[in-house]
Amino acid sequence: LAKTTQPISMDSYEGQEVNITCSHNNIATNDYITWYQQFPSQGPRFIIQGYKTKVTNEVASLFIPADRKSSTLSLPRVSLSDTAVYYCLVGPVSGGSNYKLTFGKGTLLTVNP
Amino acid sequence: DAMVIQNPRYQVTQFGKPVTLSCSQTLNHNVMYWYQQKSSQAPKLLFHYYDKDFNNEADTPDNFQSRRPNTSFCFLDIRSPGLGDAAMYLCATSRVERVHEQYFGPGTRLTVT
Repeated sequence: LAKTTQPISMDSYEGQEVNITCSHNNIATNDYITWYQQFPSQGPRFIIQGYKTKVTNEVASLFIPADRKSSTLSLPRVSLSDTAVYYCLVGPVSGGSNYKLTFGKGTLLTVNP
Repeated sequence: DAMVIQNPRYQVTQFGKPVTLSCSQTLNHNVMYWYQQKSSQAPKLLFHYYDKDFNNEADTPDNFQSRRPNTSFCFLDIRSPGLGDAAMYLCATSRVERVHEQYFGPGTRLTVT
């Protein structure tokens, strides 16, 4: 499984765009990049997934350079309710009975008024 | 709405007294997972089921067992809880062809006295 490295914490202000970068230098050819969001005392929530270039949905954008050794989660115009831990995960999309999803330490994003 | 339900949300048990946590899903997903999350740590996978095929993580203590009587339900049994087993226990589901997109329940917070 590819190891991921992301900042422990980040601070931002309401209305700003936030970019959280994740490094995954040993990503494999069949690995996808997935981001989860977790609020205190709740289960993680799937945000976005991508393989290369750019993916956008109603919540966030995911930018993946050509070498795929890193990825950046972009949250447009954050609000106080975006304060959460954000996890970057790397691995195959379908794994059959032997698959496991390994969460790294995550990035605690704090949005200030 | 389709969802993952965990009961109870809060559970208090005594040291050494067996406890069972339950999870149900209306998503009809074929994979179900149990994670343990301790304070300020990332979720850690304990085991998962692909249909009835049980997959235990190598470092999951024998004290933890699981049952999946049907597609919708999955149980986590802790045979002799210790103080170190106090944690949030998260149930998640996914389709086998999209294992990165997991749907988490709200969790059960276990306290051991």
